[in-house]
Amino acid sequence: DGGITQSPKYLFRKEGQNVTLSCEQNLNHDAMYWYRQDPGQGLRLIYYSQIVNDFQKGDIAEGYSVSREKKESFPLTVTSAQKNPTAFYLCASGDEMGGLSMQPQHFGDGTRLSIL
Amino acid sequence: QKEVEQDPGPLSVPEGAIVSLNCTYSNSAFQYFMWYRQYSRKGPELLMYTYSSGNKEDGRFTAQVDKSSKYISLFIRDSQPSDSATYLCAMRKGGSEKLVFGKGMKLTVNP
Repeated sequence: DGGITQSPKYLFRKEGQNVTLSCEQNLNHDAMYWYRQDPGQGLRLIYYSQIVNDFQKGDIAEGYSVSREKKESFPLTVTSAQKNPTAFYLCASGDEMGGLSMQPQHFGDGTRLSIL
Repeated sequence: QKEVEQDPGPLSVPEGAIVSLNCTYSNSAFQYFMWYRQYSRKGPELLMYTYSSGNKEDGRFTAQVDKSSKYISLFIRDSQPSDSATYLCAMRKGGSEKLVFGKGMKLTVNP
């Protein structure tokens, strides 16, 4: 089945710790995205990548880092610099061809990150 | 003013009701409009996807875009308890991959 797999489903972070959230897709999409969802705030874009070895900051990139070494994978690291990391993190992929395609983004089932 | 405004609700209706969900936006450059449905503890799933103004129907769902008023709607006919979820509107400009989301409206359909 084609889709987006996020792991783990639940993650706990201690003070001063970096944690990495996994996102894998087998849809052969070029573009991948990370969003943060907080209650009452909708989805906010953290980072996105249009192609392997390239990525751009979204609206709330501070305290996060990403890599895109393979087309299928776009891991997100929540660093200790992110002071309020408790949220639901969603990964998405799309084949928007620079915004010219009609294809929409598809989402994984998220990782819920909490502070210990 | 936020680029996309969506009443967060919550909205509670009886089974069989017609539901109307709405978003307004301020940027006239938006060309692609989407509605996502999100069940609790799950990722959003695409429900409807429209380009520019007009209506699109898929089963019990109708998406409507009025670019002159900068207003989009999702209508759900004969609502079912399984429609209980959060509904998110999203839109993007032509030539941009970045989606801008509304805050989401939580809908409960009571049997």
